Amino acid sequence: NAGVTQTPKFQVLKTGQSMTLQCAQDMNHEYMSWYRQDPGMGLRLIHYSVGAGITDQGEVPNGYNVSRSTTEDFPLRLLSAAPSQTSVYFCASARASSYNSPLHFGNGTRLTVT
Amino acid sequence: QQQVKQSPQSLIVQKGGISIINCAYENTAFDYFPWYQQFPGKGPALLIAIRPDVSEKKEGRFTISFNKSAKQFSLHIMDSQPGDSATYFCAATAFVSGTYKYIFGTGTRLKVLA
Repeated sequence: NAGVTQTPKFQVLKTGQSMTLQCAQDMNHEYMSWYRQDPGMGLRLIHYSVGAGITDQGEVPNGYNVSRSTTEDFPLRLLSAAPSQTSVYFCASARASSYNSPLHFGNGTRLTVT
Repeated sequence: QQQVKQSPQSLIVQKGGISIINCAYENTAFDYFPWYQQFPGKGPALLIAIRPDVSEKKEGRFTISFNKSAKQFSLHIMDSQPGDSATYFCAATAFVSGTYKYIFGTGTRLKVLA
């Protein structure tokens, strides 16, 4: 059982480049989300989705775009990378309707923007 | 204000000692309080969780203490071991706009000395 799979594990971009971080889950979870983790800042929510075709903004959405065409996949797009987007990105999923459904995290993508 | 404040930022404990991490929240709509454990290079994983109608929950060496009136909760790790060295995040969830939203603390980096 793979759980939440994120690719790539590492990425280096130049300022202004675009890229897509991939996230897939095989647990049939309705809820999927993207977080960024920065030292001293904890985990901050970028975007989330409660089902295919439904997305919404989190705490720090600027510079990022998402779509949810299937239950399994939730890609995160950086349209024009900036050094401030250097971070570790985590995708997480959960059942949407249960208060005690834990978030299942992937192992992260470490992104460096130069 | 949907915030969860976590302290300390880092903690060093001798093997066999007690590790204590504290969190405080303001929003009374939060109704579930999980703790996540993260090892280097991995995503966070659920460690233990509590609901606000319970004052304490214990699982092995890990205990959550919850003070609803003070809006505070804490994680106690008894008989701390070097294998407990990790980053710990407290979190709070609330049901908003049809889904559960997770708000994380800023994390505590625990090092247990052998």
